[in-house]
Amino acid sequence: EAQVTQNPRYLITVTGKKLTVTCSQNMNHEYMSWYRQDPGLGLRQIYYSMNVEVTDKGDVPEGYKVSRKEKRNFPLILESPSPNQTSLYFCASSFRGQTNYGYTFGSGTRLTVV
Amino acid sequence: AQSVTQLDSHVSVSEGTPVLLRCNYSSSYSPSLFWYVQHPNKGLQLLLKYTSAATLVKGINGFEAEFKKSETSFHLTKPSAHMSDAAEYFCVVSETVAGNNRKLIWGLGTSLAVNP
Repeated sequence: EAQVTQNPRYLITVTGKKLTVTCSQNMNHEYMSWYRQDPGLGLRQIYYSMNVEVTDKGDVPEGYKVSRKEKRNFPLILESPSPNQTSLYFCASSFRGQTNYGYTFGSGTRLTVV
Repeated sequence: AQSVTQLDSHVSVSEGTPVLLRCNYSSSYSPSLFWYVQHPNKGLQLLLKYTSAATLVKGINGFEAEFKKSETSFHLTKPSAHMSDAAEYFCVVSETVAGNNRKLIWGLGTSLAVNP
């Protein structure tokens, strides 16, 4: 089944403790992206990647890192999480950044930083 | 810059009655437009998309949307609501940024409640 898989689905952590949210897709998509969803603010793009070893900042990249060493994986790294990073996170992928194909989204990761 | 406005943050309908979720956009050129649905505690699912072909777009689960350039609107409709349609709906426009990269601009969402 074609899908984007995120792990974990739920995570509670403490301020300053490094964490990684994994994202993997099995559709051979070149384009991958991370979003966060917050009440009243909608979805905002954190980082995106056009292909392996090509990443760039979205609208809200502060406090996050990403890497794209393989085509299928696009992990999101929080080196020192803070409470304002408590949010619902989505990974998405599509072909070649041509979003007229539509994105495929993961099921989301609900992160709480205390 | 492109933007998306969902005119209603919350819509409530009775089961079996029509659904109308309104979306206006601003764009300096021909946009690609999408509707996504998010059920409680679930991910985002593509309902339908408009990419400069037919202006009336049919999607999954009986939903459809009409692109009206003169009104800069892309309203989502369904003739008869079902209880399972209760969810959050997002209108999205695709924006071309640097080079070949396209970014999605999201509306803030409309919460649809379906009453028995």
